[in-house]
Amino acid sequence: DAMVIQNPRYQVTQFGKPVTLSCSQTLNHNVMYWYQQKSSQAPKLLFHYYDKDFNNEADTPDNFQSRRPNTSFCFLDIRSPGLGDAAMYLCATSRKSMNEQFFGPGTRLTVL
Amino acid sequence: AQSVTQLDSHVSVSEGTPVLLRCNYSSSYSPSLFWYVQHPNKGLQLLLKYTSAATLVKGINGFEAEFKKSETSFHLTKPSAHMSDAAEYFCVVSYGGATNKLIFGTGTLLAVQP
Repeated sequence: DAMVIQNPRYQVTQFGKPVTLSCSQTLNHNVMYWYQQKSSQAPKLLFHYYDKDFNNEADTPDNFQSRRPNTSFCFLDIRSPGLGDAAMYLCATSRKSMNEQFFGPGTRLTVL
Repeated sequence: AQSVTQLDSHVSVSEGTPVLLRCNYSSSYSPSLFWYVQHPNKGLQLLLKYTSAATLVKGINGFEAEFKKSETSFHLTKPSAHMSDAAEYFCVVSYGGATNKLIFGTGTLLAVQP
């Protein structure tokens, strides 16, 4: 089945230790998104790629970076995680002609 | 500017009784509207979507929603709640365009009592 895959599902890191979260898709969608979702809140868009074009949200901290080496993969890098970065991170995909986004299962990040 | 308001942060129903989750939107043009469901520690799953076709939209798991332009509403309903329906529900509006950015409501947590 075509889908959005996120690895790992659970990630524990230490305060200040860089961490990378992974997203892959078999849908061949040209748009990929990263969201941060804190407890009992709606997802918050961090940035998205339209093909290779990177689009950062104005309020996304510099601590968060992203890479998209090819259509299928997209990475979220947190350079120096703080306690406030503990959250669920959701990857989603979409295609230009579509309205909805397709979400992966998420990665739960814990910062110790 | 587009926005979404979910009128109830928590809704509790008994199993077998109807479900109503309320959503109002604000949009300067004809919107695309969605309901997504999120079970604990899971990603978001699309329940249904409205994209200017039929105003009564049927989704998965027996859910449906009616787009009412005069009331700027897109309420989610289900005739009979099941225990497995307990989850967080998000009403969402889309900017559309090339990048399909979404505006999320604050979510409604549905509890289903046995």
